[in-house]
Amino acid sequence: DAGVIQSPRHEVTEMGQEVTLRCKPISGHDYLFWYRQTMMRGLELLIYFNNNVPIDDSGMPEDRFSAKMPNASFSTLKIQPSEPRDSAVYFCASRTGVNQPQHFGDGTRLSIL
Amino acid sequence: ILNVEQSPQSLHVQEGDSTNFTCSFPSSNFYALHWYRWETAKSPEALFVMTLNGDEKKKGRISATLNTKEGYSYLYIKGSQPEDSATYLCALNNAGNMLTFGGGTRLMVKP
Repeated sequence: DAGVIQSPRHEVTEMGQEVTLRCKPISGHDYLFWYRQTMMRGLELLIYFNNNVPIDDSGMPEDRFSAKMPNASFSTLKIQPSEPRDSAVYFCASRTGVNQPQHFGDGTRLSIL
Repeated sequence: ILNVEQSPQSLHVQEGDSTNFTCSFPSSNFYALHWYRWETAKSPEALFVMTLNGDEKKKGRISATLNTKEGYSYLYIKGSQPEDSATYLCALNNAGNMLTFGGGTRLMVKP
């Protein structure tokens, strides 16, 4: 079975540009999570969805960040406009039931110049 | 903000040594405690999900215990191998859906 698939793996862009990160969760998983990993703050939850509906976006840093899940097999995390402090590795994860482990994608390493 | 603390932050051991590290967490509203193994340049990989006080789980040379009343979990590695080198993360689920991750213990096993 394919795991969680993220794209792109790496993104380098100039500040002010729009960045879109993509995630395909494991089929049948009804929870999807977006995380950001930085040296300073470790792995922090940005937003999660249940059955394609955003449930908690309290971790989204500011209005420049937005996430959507138009269907059960696709989610995007968008940053517009991007800033150098957004540079980090962004992970997507999915799972089934409440006490099931989360399965992580390989992450997108984002560098904003 | 939940305080999920892991200690030590990093650990160097020799191949063949057994080792253990700690995850401590607030014990109120406990749902589950997760352990993940995170190798450099890869993604976190689930090891265990523990839900009951007194739970003990084992996968090969790695095992974990859980004490929800006092708010801690131990991860043990028996006979460490170089391929065990990774960051070990614990994460608390205390609200049903979201995980709060600790800062991780970075283990380096020298051959």
